[in-house]
Amino acid sequence: DAKTTQPPSMDCAEGRAANLPCNHSTISGNEYVYWYRQIHSQGPQYIIHGLKNNETNEMASLIITEDRKSSTLILPHATLRDTAVYYCIVRVRGSSNTGKLIFGQGTTLQVKP
Amino acid sequence: DAGVTQSPTHLIKTRGQHVTLRCSPISGHKSVSWYQQVLGQGPQFIFQYYEKEERGRGNFPDRFSARQFPNYSSELNVNALLLGDSALYLCASSITTGVRTEAFFGQGTRLTVV
Repeated sequence: DAKTTQPPSMDCAEGRAANLPCNHSTISGNEYVYWYRQIHSQGPQYIIHGLKNNETNEMASLIITEDRKSSTLILPHATLRDTAVYYCIVRVRGSSNTGKLIFGQGTTLQVKP
Repeated sequence: DAGVTQSPTHLIKTRGQHVTLRCSPISGHKSVSWYQQVLGQGPQFIFQYYEKEERGRGNFPDRFSARQFPNYSSELNVNALLLGDSALYLCASSITTGVRTEAFFGQGTRLTVV
């Protein structure tokens, strides 16, 4: 079972910031939070990941609470092309240190004009 | 740079047949994982291979098997196909730097069993 909980759907106006929440209250100290998104019928696309500090890249920002039990993915200026299913994943580390990804249902973000 | 490539992109099979799906990882990536995504659900982990050895297996029947070759490419085999095997099959290659792992997915193979 997925270790994360996300709202099933969200709407966002084009040009506004999209804030996608995720709860991961049972996260372990050595587990990272990963975000992927999946545009219809394509493979999931890596967005960002973090351990405990806030992270930012060209696609998004990731805010992780101090207790690490929740996080928020921020798309600063959402466009119509950001319409997708967004998955928050806590990475399980395998014996080879590469680990598998356990996907939940994700949040369907609909960006509207 | 070439990303993860999967072949074929689409496939139609009949119940009871077997199928082989192929995946080429990103150059330099030694780990390949397979996922099944049924319509309306998130991807479900099937297998992980690292350096040609199976390192993880999800809750799938023995009809599902996989292998990884010396060039790190991989095949997923499914025998005795059932209608419920119809899904998007995703391959991901990953690389670990220190304690961080990044996985990159291919576009998938859409399998339809009729």
